[in-house]
Amino acid sequence: EPEVTQTPSHQVTQMGQEVILRCVPISNHLYFYWYRQILGQKVEFLVSFYNNEISEKSEIFDDQFSVERPDGSNFTLKIRSTKLEDSAMYFCASSLAGGNSYEQYFGPGTRLTVT
Amino acid sequence: AQSVSQHNHHVILSEAASLELGCNYSYGGTVNLFWYVQYPGQHLQLLLKYFSGDPLVKGIKGFEAEFIKSKFSFNLRKPSVQWSDTAEYFCAVRGYQKVTFGTGTKLQVIP
Repeated sequence: EPEVTQTPSHQVTQMGQEVILRCVPISNHLYFYWYRQILGQKVEFLVSFYNNEISEKSEIFDDQFSVERPDGSNFTLKIRSTKLEDSAMYFCASSLAGGNSYEQYFGPGTRLTVT
Repeated sequence: AQSVSQHNHHVILSEAASLELGCNYSYGGTVNLFWYVQYPGQHLQLLLKYFSGDPLVKGIKGFEAEFIKSKFSFNLRKPSVQWSDTAEYFCAVRGYQKVTFGTGTKLQVIP
C-alpha cells in the first residue's frame, strides 16, 4: 500500500538555524499538509498546499515557515530561524483531492529538537 | 470553526475490560470524523472513519465508533481491550481542508 514518507526521522538543530523537513506524499495525491505535535499536546494543523500554492494556513504558520514542492515528488517545510518552541513532531499528510470526502494519509513524522 | 473535545485525558483499564472514549465535535458543514491511534514511538494510524451512511462504523483491531448527530458525538468503543491497545487515541474532524484533532486520550491497559 502506498504511504507518505518523511526524512529525517529525527533532526537536532541549534536555535537560529534553518531546517528543512522533507516529505514524499503518495504519488497521485494533489493536496499536501503539514501538522505538528508539541510533546504532550495535540496535533495542530499548520498549512495545506495545492497547485503550488498555500490554500490554508493556521496562525502558527508565520513568516518563519515556508513550504515548497521543489520537484514532482517532494514536499518540504522550511523553518528559517528555529526557536526552542519549534521543537515538536512534524507530520506531513497528503490526500487525493481537497474537500472532506478525501482521507488524509499521514507520514511517520520528523522529530525536531531545537537546542 | 471546527473543534473537537475529548473528555478523558488518561484512562487505565485492565485487560478484557470494555472501553469507551468520548468525543464531541463542532463543525458547521458536512462532517467527516476520524479516530487515530498513536502507539508509543510510532506515527499516527487511522483506526476508523465516518463519512456518511451507517452511523456505526467498524475499524481495525476490533474498534468501533458511533456517530450521533443529535449529540455531536463520535465515541470510540471496544468490548474487550488488550495490553497491545496501550496507546494514545485522537478524535479528529475534517473540514474542507484541514483536520482538527482533539487533545488525545492516553489509554493504559494493565495485563
